[in-house]
Amino acid sequence: SSELTQDPAVSVALGQTVRITCQGYPLRTYYASWYQQKPGQAPVLVIYGKNNRPSGIPDRFSGSSSGNTASLTITGAQAEDEADYYCNSRDSSGSHLSWVFGGGTKLTVL
Amino acid sequence: EVQLVESGGGLVRPGRSLRLSCAASGFTLDDYAMHWVRQAPGKGLEWVSTISWNRDTIAYADSVKGRFTISRDDAKNSLYLQMNSLRPEDTAFYYCAKGGTDYGDYWGQGTLVTVSS
Repeated sequence: SSELTQDPAVSVALGQTVRITCQGYPLRTYYASWYQQKPGQAPVLVIYGKNNRPSGIPDRFSGSSSGNTASLTITGAQAEDEADYYCNSRDSSGSHLSWVFGGGTKLTVL
Repeated sequence: EVQLVESGGGLVRPGRSLRLSCAASGFTLDDYAMHWVRQAPGKGLEWVSTISWNRDTIAYADSVKGRFTISRDDAKNSLYLQMNSLRPEDTAFYYCAKGGTDYGDYWGQGTLVTVSS
């Protein structure tokens, strides 16, 4: 199976902009989805497709992609954005329904 | 309102079996792909299995292939994961998620499976 690589940890000052990246071969073919997970809670989808936000997700969250890299950008990070963020996509090496997740990025808001 | 409620987790000895359930409400299961994703305590997310909306296609992670079986009961609007030959490394929170083929837009709160002697 394929792999998606994320930086283990990123920090951002309150109100500033932060970009969380995800690299991997499947991203050349498939869009990444992004999930936010806070301690003790289930993951929450924040970005899917080209750059789509589910209902209720603030517009400070956005997604982009180039080549084998997908990015989640938080413009004007808030204290409540401190969480783990995971990317995922379909796995280009397996069944067309197979998924692969990145290892996750722990975002600290300073 | 979409809701997913997992159940069936618990402590089980290595080599034994367990069946997880995911009760769905607020939508019709057979309109969507459904997924199982797990997370070992303190670790990242790991995809386990997916069943397509029409049950036409099923996929498993290599780590569970041949041991786990995903299924669906549309009459009960429920998703299942039959887990056989359990190993200590299967210890994790197991989440069901409504798809998107490419994403899970709603997730349950998870059920903890602990495989230990």
